[in-house]
Amino acid sequence: GAGVSQSPSNKVTEKGKDVELRCDPISGHTALYWYRQSLGQGLEFLIYFQGNSAPDKSGLPSDRFSAERTGGSVSTLTIQRTQQEDSAVYLCASSLDRGPYEQYFGPGTRLTVT
Amino acid sequence: GDSVTQMEGPVTLSEEAFLTINCTYTATGYPSLFWYVQYPGEGLQLLLKATKADDKGSNKGFEATYRKETTSFHLEKGSVQVSDSAVYFCALINTGNQFYFGTGTSLTVIP
Repeated sequence: GAGVSQSPSNKVTEKGKDVELRCDPISGHTALYWYRQSLGQGLEFLIYFQGNSAPDKSGLPSDRFSAERTGGSVSTLTIQRTQQEDSAVYLCASSLDRGPYEQYFGPGTRLTVT
Repeated sequence: GDSVTQMEGPVTLSEEAFLTINCTYTATGYPSLFWYVQYPGEGLQLLLKATKADDKGSNKGFEATYRKETTSFHLEKGSVQVSDSAVYFCALINTGNQFYFGTGTSLTVIP
């Protein structure tokens, strides 16, 4: 079946612009996660959704970052007024449910802020 | 806060050598522990996991044992192959459903 998809695969934007990153999880997966992977760094957990709810938003780096999920499916991560330090690969993953279930990762969106 | 620390790479081994990648964690409560792998040009995928103390996760010849007394989850394989060349990530999920990943260890296996 279809895996997790993300779009766009690459995004180059100018400093100060807003960007939206999209994630389509595996159908039927109730849990969805967003991560950021910077060059030479591990994965930084940003936020997770159970259904359409995000119980804990404390992982978001600043108030410029926001995320939503609708219909228990597609999620968008929005970065407002992008900064150069936002340049990274943004990964989305979904799992059957919250908890210690296997996460299935998407290919990521490489964001470059110039 | 919760965290995962894994040995820094890169690691280079000859084929059929023994592999250990160390991983230790800090977490309150009883986290579940994972190893994920990223092969060249591919996305992250689960390699193995353990959900409680003394559990051993295993897959593709890799093993890791959840040691609560040493807060460790070291990855081992008795005989590595060229096809094992990849980046390996140790991770935990805590009781708040937050995931923490290590920085990754790059492994290169040479023939």
